[in-house]
Parts: sequence; C-alpha cells; structure tokens
Amino acid sequence: DAKTTQPNSMESNEEEPVHLPCNHSTISGTDYIHWYRQLPSQGPEYVIHGLTSNVNNRMASLAIAEDRKSSTLILHRATLRDAAVYYCILRDGGGGNKLTFGTGTQLKVEL
Amino acid sequence: NAGVTQTPKFRILKIGQSMTLQCAQDMNHNYMYWYRQDPGMGLKLIYYSVGAGITDKGEVPNGYNVSRSTTEDFPLRLELAAPSQTSVYFCASSLSGRGYEQYFGPGTRLTVT
Repeated sequence: DAKTTQPNSMESNEEEPVHLPCNHSTISGTDYIHWYRQLPSQGPEYVIHGLTSNVNNRMASLAIAEDRKSSTLILHRATLRDAAVYYCILRDGGGGNKLTFGTGTQLKVEL
Repeated sequence: NAGVTQTPKFRILKIGQSMTLQCAQDMNHNYMYWYRQDPGMGLKLIYYSVGAGITDKGEVPNGYNVSRSTTEDFPLRLELAAPSQTSVYFCASSLSGRGYEQYFGPGTRLTVT
C-alpha cells in the first residue's frame, strides 16, 4: 500500500485557517486521497476525498499538488470542535474500499 | 437512521474467554468493516465484507472470526481472548467499494486481563 507522511501534531488558534499537509510520494494513478478525522473517544469521521482536482465541501477543502505527491487539507476557520486527529489515507481505486490508517496529525485548537 | 451501532460499549474479558462484538447498520450498505485501534495508533483492518455471505481478511485477522448472514449485521467473534487483543474496536460500513465514505460506529473498548 502506498504510504502517507503527516506531521505528528499542529496547533492553531480559533477562527484562523488551518493547513494540514500530507506527503504521498509513491501514490499511484488510481489512488484516491481520503481524509478522515477522529474526535476524542469517537470513531473516525469522513472529511473529504479527491483524485486529481481540488475539492470543496461544507467541512473543508482539499488541495492536491499537480504531481499528486502531496496534498493539503484546509479548514477555513478552525473551531474548538475541530480539535481531532486527522488522517490522510490513500485508497486504491480498484475496489474493496479498504482504508489503511497511519498515526495522523493531532490538531490542537486554542482560544 | 441510527447509522452504525455497536454493542457493548465496554467489556472486560479474562484470558481464554470468548465473546462476540455486535455491529449493525440501517443504511442498507453493502460493505462492512472491522478495525481495531491500539493506544496512540491508527486503525488496523481486521476483516471486511462486501455483501451478505462474503467476508475477507484484512491486515490483522488472527484470533478473530466474522460472519455476514444479513446486510445489516456483521458480528466479530473473539475466540480464546489474549491480552494482545486489548483494544478499541470500530465497525464501519459504506455504500460500496468505489469512492464512498465509510461510516464508523462509536466503538467497543475491550480489555483482556
């Protein structure tokens, strides 16, 4: 499975934008880039996913580098409720939908 | 919709005991998954199912068994519990394999002593 590399932790102030980076230099052409987050004591929650183009939804934006070797999850205005572990995951587009979780980035949001 | 539900929320087992973790979803999803999460780590896939009657192994299947007799239910069986199975177990489901998000349950915290 193609691997991803994320910083262990990041900090942000409330109401400010947050850019969470992810490197995936061995990504294949059929791999989708998925982001999930896990709030304390809860199961993971889907955030966003994309293949080649930048994507936006109500939760976040996903910016994908032109060579697809890196991506950035953007939270436009962080709130205290966004404090969570964020996982960047490559999913093989060949089916099965199996997700391989790394250790993710712990995002801390301060007032 | 209740989404994905898991029972029990917590359980303590003695070494060698067996138990079944229950998972149900009411979204008519074809795909279901079992993951475990050890402290400070990401989730690891134990087993998954692409439909009733079809199951397959994930990354860490040893010590576990699953069955999928209905679309809604996907129980995980632990035989001869060991301390290494102390973990938080998450069940998830998705509409299909390609590109659909996975919905996770709240988890079952299992301690084997």
